[in-house]
Amino acid sequence: GAVVSQHPSWVICKSGTSVKIECRSLDFQATTMFWYRQFPKQSLMLMATSNEGSKATYEQGVEKDKFLINHASLTLSTLTVTSAHPEDSSFYICSARVFSGTVNTEAFFGQGTRLTVV
Amino acid sequence: GQQVMQIPQYQHVQEGEDFTTYCNSSTTLSNIQWYKQRPGGHPVFLIQLVKSGEVKKQKRLTFQFGEAKKNSSLHITATQTTDVGTYFCAGRQAGTALIFGKGTTLSVSS
Repeated sequence: GAVVSQHPSWVICKSGTSVKIECRSLDFQATTMFWYRQFPKQSLMLMATSNEGSKATYEQGVEKDKFLINHASLTLSTLTVTSAHPEDSSFYICSARVFSGTVNTEAFFGQGTRLTVV
Repeated sequence: GQQVMQIPQYQHVQEGEDFTTYCNSSTTLSNIQWYKQRPGGHPVFLIQLVKSGEVKKQKRLTFQFGEAKKNSSLHITATQTTDVGTYFCAGRQAGTALIFGKGTTLSVSS
Protein backbone atom coordinates (compact mmCIF):
# COMPACT_ATOMS: atom_id res chain seq x y z
CA GLY A 1 0.00 0.00 0.00
CA ALA A 2 0.85 3.65 -0.16
CA VAL A 3 3.40 4.87 2.35
CA VAL A 4 3.35 8.23 4.05
CA SER A 5 6.48 9.21 5.91
CA GLN A 6 6.39 11.91 8.55
CA HIS A 7 9.45 13.50 10.10
CA PRO A 8 10.49 14.06 12.81
CA SER A 9 8.69 11.50 14.94
CA TRP A 10 9.25 13.58 18.03
CA VAL A 11 10.67 16.99 18.79
CA ILE A 12 11.28 19.11 21.86
CA CYS A 13 11.64 22.82 21.36
CA LYS A 14 11.86 25.95 23.44
CA SER A 15 8.93 28.26 23.77
CA GLY A 16 9.02 30.94 21.09
CA THR A 17 10.85 28.91 18.49
CA SER A 18 9.41 27.41 15.31
CA VAL A 19 9.21 23.76 14.35
CA LYS A 20 8.78 22.30 10.88
CA ILE A 21 7.17 18.91 10.34
CA GLU A 22 7.43 17.15 7.00
CA CYS A 23 4.99 14.75 5.44
CA ARG A 24 6.04 12.81 2.37
CA SER A 25 4.21 10.37 0.15
CA LEU A 26 6.90 7.88 -0.75
CA ASP A 27 5.48 5.87 -3.60
CA PHE A 28 2.60 7.89 -4.91
CA GLN A 29 1.62 11.44 -5.68
CA ALA A 30 -0.69 13.09 -3.22
CA THR A 31 -2.50 16.12 -4.53
CA THR A 32 -4.20 16.54 -1.19
CA MET A 33 -2.82 16.01 2.27
CA PHE A 34 -4.45 16.58 5.62
CA TRP A 35 -3.01 17.71 8.92
CA TYR A 36 -4.52 16.54 12.17
CA ARG A 37 -3.85 17.25 15.79
CA GLN A 38 -4.48 14.75 18.54
CA PHE A 39 -4.42 15.47 22.26
CA PRO A 40 -3.78 12.59 24.66
CA LYS A 41 -6.60 10.09 24.70
CA GLN A 42 -8.65 12.18 22.33
CA SER A 43 -9.69 11.92 18.72
CA LEU A 44 -8.03 13.38 15.68
CA MET A 45 -9.02 16.94 14.94
CA LEU A 46 -8.59 18.14 11.39
CA MET A 47 -6.50 21.30 11.28
CA ALA A 48 -6.19 21.97 7.59
CA THR A 49 -6.38 20.56 4.12
CA SER A 50 -3.26 21.01 2.03
CA ASN A 51 -3.53 21.11 -1.75
CA GLU A 52 -0.47 21.00 -3.96
CA GLY A 53 0.31 24.35 -5.46
CA SER A 54 -2.36 26.31 -3.62
CA LYS A 55 -3.10 27.74 -0.23
CA ALA A 56 -4.18 25.42 2.52
CA THR A 57 -7.75 25.42 3.76
CA TYR A 58 -7.88 25.80 7.51
CA GLU A 59 -10.60 24.53 9.81
CA GLN A 60 -12.43 26.97 12.00
CA GLY A 61 -10.43 27.97 15.04
CA VAL A 62 -7.05 27.04 13.58
CA GLU A 63 -4.71 30.02 13.26
CA LYS A 64 -3.23 29.98 9.78
CA ASP A 65 -0.46 32.38 10.74
CA LYS A 66 0.59 30.09 13.54
CA PHE A 67 0.35 26.81 11.67
CA LEU A 68 1.94 27.44 8.30
CA ILE A 69 1.30 24.79 5.70
CA ASN A 70 3.17 24.46 2.45
CA HIS A 71 2.46 21.84 -0.19
CA ALA A 72 5.11 22.67 -2.74
CA SER A 73 5.20 19.34 -4.54
CA LEU A 74 3.04 16.31 -5.12
CA THR A 75 5.01 14.34 -2.57
CA LEU A 76 5.71 16.82 0.21
CA SER A 77 3.65 18.90 2.58
CA THR A 78 5.08 20.73 5.56
CA LEU A 79 3.53 22.10 8.71
CA THR A 80 5.44 24.78 10.58
CA VAL A 81 4.38 25.63 14.09
CA THR A 82 5.54 29.20 14.54
CA SER A 83 6.41 30.79 17.87
CA ALA A 84 5.48 27.59 19.64
CA HIS A 85 4.09 27.68 23.16
CA PRO A 86 3.53 24.87 25.67
CA GLU A 87 -0.16 24.68 24.73
CA ASP A 88 0.92 23.70 21.21
CA SER A 89 2.38 20.50 22.59
CA SER A 90 0.47 17.71 20.91
CA PHE A 91 0.61 14.83 18.47
CA TYR A 92 0.47 16.06 14.89
CA ILE A 93 -0.40 13.59 12.14
CA CYS A 94 -0.63 13.98 8.39
CA SER A 95 -2.50 11.85 5.93
CA ALA A 96 -2.58 11.66 2.17
CA ARG A 97 -5.57 11.34 -0.07
CA VAL A 98 -5.52 8.34 -2.35
CA PHE A 99 -8.06 7.79 -5.05
CA SER A 100 -9.31 4.24 -4.92
CA GLY A 101 -11.79 3.20 -7.52
CA THR A 102 -14.69 5.57 -7.33
CA VAL A 103 -14.04 7.14 -3.95
CA ASN A 104 -11.34 9.12 -2.28
CA THR A 105 -9.85 7.86 0.91
CA GLU A 106 -7.34 9.29 3.34
CA ALA A 107 -6.35 5.79 4.23
CA PHE A 108 -2.70 6.47 4.76
CA PHE A 109 -1.34 8.29 7.74
CA GLY A 110 2.15 9.33 8.62
CA GLN A 111 3.70 8.06 11.81
CA GLY A 112 2.89 11.27 13.61
CA THR A 113 5.07 13.85 15.32
CA ARG A 114 4.97 14.33 19.04
CA LEU A 115 5.77 17.96 19.75
CA THR A 116 6.72 19.08 23.23
CA VAL A 117 7.26 22.76 23.84
CA VAL A 118 9.14 23.63 27.01
CA GLY B 1 -21.80 21.08 11.33
CA GLN B 2 -21.31 17.43 10.72
CA GLN B 3 -20.73 15.33 13.82
CA VAL B 4 -19.67 11.74 14.23
CA MET B 5 -20.47 10.19 17.56
CA GLN B 6 -18.93 6.97 18.76
CA ILE B 7 -19.82 4.80 21.74
CA PRO B 8 -18.76 3.49 24.10
CA GLN B 9 -15.72 5.57 24.96
CA TYR B 10 -14.10 2.70 26.84
CA GLN B 11 -14.70 -1.03 26.91
CA HIS B 12 -12.96 -3.68 28.94
CA VAL B 13 -13.49 -7.33 28.12
CA GLN B 14 -12.10 -10.67 29.10
CA GLU B 15 -10.15 -12.41 26.40
CA GLY B 16 -12.52 -14.45 24.30
CA GLU B 17 -15.50 -12.14 24.78
CA ASP B 18 -16.98 -10.17 21.93
CA PHE B 19 -16.71 -6.41 21.49
CA THR B 20 -18.74 -3.89 19.53
CA THR B 21 -18.30 -0.18 18.93
CA TYR B 22 -20.95 2.00 17.32
CA CYS B 23 -20.68 5.09 15.22
CA ASN B 24 -23.47 7.53 14.39
CA SER B 25 -23.44 10.53 12.12
CA SER B 26 -25.72 13.53 12.25
CA THR B 27 -25.78 13.55 8.45
CA THR B 28 -25.80 11.01 5.65
CA LEU B 29 -22.30 9.87 4.79
CA SER B 30 -20.80 9.08 1.42
CA ASN B 31 -18.48 6.59 3.07
CA ILE B 32 -17.14 5.61 6.45
CA GLN B 33 -13.72 4.36 7.43
CA TRP B 34 -12.44 2.52 10.46
CA TYR B 35 -9.01 2.88 12.01
CA LYS B 36 -7.12 1.27 14.85
CA GLN B 37 -4.59 3.17 16.88
CA ARG B 38 -2.30 1.53 19.38
CA PRO B 39 -1.01 3.59 22.32
CA GLY B 40 1.74 5.89 21.07
CA GLY B 41 1.11 4.92 17.48
CA HIS B 42 -0.64 6.41 14.51
CA PRO B 43 -4.02 5.42 13.08
CA VAL B 44 -3.92 2.38 10.87
CA PHE B 45 -6.57 2.01 8.23
CA LEU B 46 -8.78 -1.03 8.65
CA ILE B 47 -11.55 -0.71 6.12
CA GLN B 48 -13.80 1.58 4.13
CA LEU B 49 -17.54 1.08 3.66
CA VAL B 50 -19.35 2.80 0.84
CA LYS B 51 -22.63 1.08 0.08
CA SER B 52 -25.84 1.26 2.05
CA GLY B 53 -26.24 -1.86 4.20
CA GLU B 54 -22.74 -3.04 3.39
CA VAL B 55 -21.17 -5.71 5.58
CA LYS B 56 -17.50 -6.59 5.38
CA LYS B 57 -15.46 -9.07 7.33
CA GLN B 58 -11.81 -9.27 8.15
CA LYS B 59 -11.14 -12.46 10.07
CA ARG B 60 -12.72 -11.81 13.49
CA LEU B 61 -13.76 -8.25 12.62
CA THR B 62 -17.16 -7.48 11.11
CA PHE B 63 -17.97 -4.02 9.82
CA GLN B 64 -21.45 -2.79 8.97
CA PHE B 65 -22.75 0.34 7.28
CA GLY B 66 -26.36 1.20 8.00
CA GLU B 67 -29.09 1.33 5.40
CA ALA B 68 -29.43 5.07 5.82
CA LYS B 69 -25.64 5.51 5.65
CA LYS B 70 -25.69 7.33 8.96
CA ASN B 71 -24.40 4.66 11.29
CA SER B 72 -21.81 1.96 11.37
CA SER B 73 -20.49 -0.68 13.71
CA LEU B 74 -17.38 -2.71 14.26
CA HIS B 75 -17.76 -6.08 15.96
CA ILE B 76 -14.86 -8.20 17.12
CA THR B 77 -15.55 -11.84 17.85
CA ALA B 78 -13.57 -13.64 20.55
CA THR B 79 -11.24 -10.79 21.42
CA GLN B 80 -7.55 -11.36 21.86
CA THR B 81 -4.97 -9.29 23.71
CA THR B 82 -3.64 -8.13 20.35
CA ASP B 83 -6.95 -6.36 19.74
CA VAL B 84 -6.11 -3.77 22.40
CA GLY B 85 -6.16 -0.19 21.13
CA THR B 86 -8.47 2.62 20.21
CA TYR B 87 -10.83 2.13 17.32
CA PHE B 88 -11.93 5.21 15.42
CA CYS B 89 -14.63 5.59 12.88
CA ALA B 90 -14.32 8.44 10.41
CA GLY B 91 -17.10 9.57 8.18
CA ARG B 92 -17.25 11.76 5.17
CA GLN B 93 -19.96 13.69 3.44
CA ALA B 94 -19.53 14.07 -0.29
CA GLY B 95 -16.68 16.45 -1.06
CA THR B 96 -15.57 17.00 2.52
CA ALA B 97 -12.71 15.78 4.64
CA LEU B 98 -13.03 12.96 7.13
CA ILE B 99 -14.58 13.68 10.50
CA PHE B 100 -13.36 11.35 13.20
CA GLY B 101 -15.37 9.96 16.06
CA LYS B 102 -13.88 10.20 19.54
CA GLY B 103 -12.87 6.56 19.44
CA THR B 104 -13.50 3.52 21.59
CA THR B 105 -10.61 2.31 23.67
CA LEU B 106 -10.61 -1.44 24.08
CA SER B 107 -8.72 -3.20 26.84
CA VAL B 108 -8.54 -6.97 27.07
CA SER B 109 -7.54 -8.99 30.08
CA SER B 110 -6.34 -12.56 29.76
